[in-house]
Amino acid sequence: EVQLVESGGGLVQPGGSLRLSCAASGFTFSSYAMSWVRQAPGKGLEWVSAISGSGGSTYYADSVKGRFTISRDNSKNTLYLQMNSLRAEDTAVYYCAKGPSAVAGADWFDPWGQGTLVTVSS
Amino acid sequence: QSVLTQPPSVSEAPRQRVTISCSGSSSNIGNNAVNWYQQLPGKAPKLLIYYDDLLPSGVSDRFSGSKSGTSASLAISGLQSEDEADYYCAAWDDSLNGQVFGGGTKLTVL
Repeated sequence: EVQLVESGGGLVQPGGSLRLSCAASGFTFSSYAMSWVRQAPGKGLEWVSAISGSGGSTYYADSVKGRFTISRDNSKNTLYLQMNSLRAEDTAVYYCAKGPSAVAGADWFDPWGQGTLVTVSS
Repeated sequence: QSVLTQPPSVSEAPRQRVTISCSGSSSNIGNNAVNWYQQLPGKAPKLLIYYDDLLPSGVSDRFSGSKSGTSASLAISGLQSEDEADYYCAAWDDSLNGQVFGGGTKLTVL
């Protein structure tokens, strides 16, 4: 069974940093692209970033470009999101999600993890 | 404002049929596949439809998707109370070089 478990969320001050992790199991991790999608409280879904199976290709939403970095460690079956210069508007539940192939981009997300809450506040 | 436009809410009686629209442009829906997600209250999103009209294994055939030009639709037939959820459309946007989502549609089964 495919499982994705996010961790690393919490309360951080504006301007601070946080690193999220997503532990994957039940599939050959390196063969699939992965993405991060977030959802602000009471709001809709917003795609954040995607990375190819090899880690060689990455994509970012304009709202996080230059502040967030997506990466993966295929030896540890783990996806990461390094978040720097955090702002109040980054407050959201962050989900990791699996793509259907190793190529990142124009594909669907299935399954999704349970999410981890990031709160940016002083 | 979301790049893809969905109605904020729809409602219909049990056992009836409802459709949810998703409007985009040539850079997203017009040139890429549309996917739909269902988010039950307090839960993570779940893939409902992929590649415009394909059903993942385990998804009820009461759900169906379609696309025409720069618009797509999700139809749910034989409505049940457990279908009450938020529904999101999504597609890759060639201009933004990223995935875009609709604002979501809250379905109420009367």
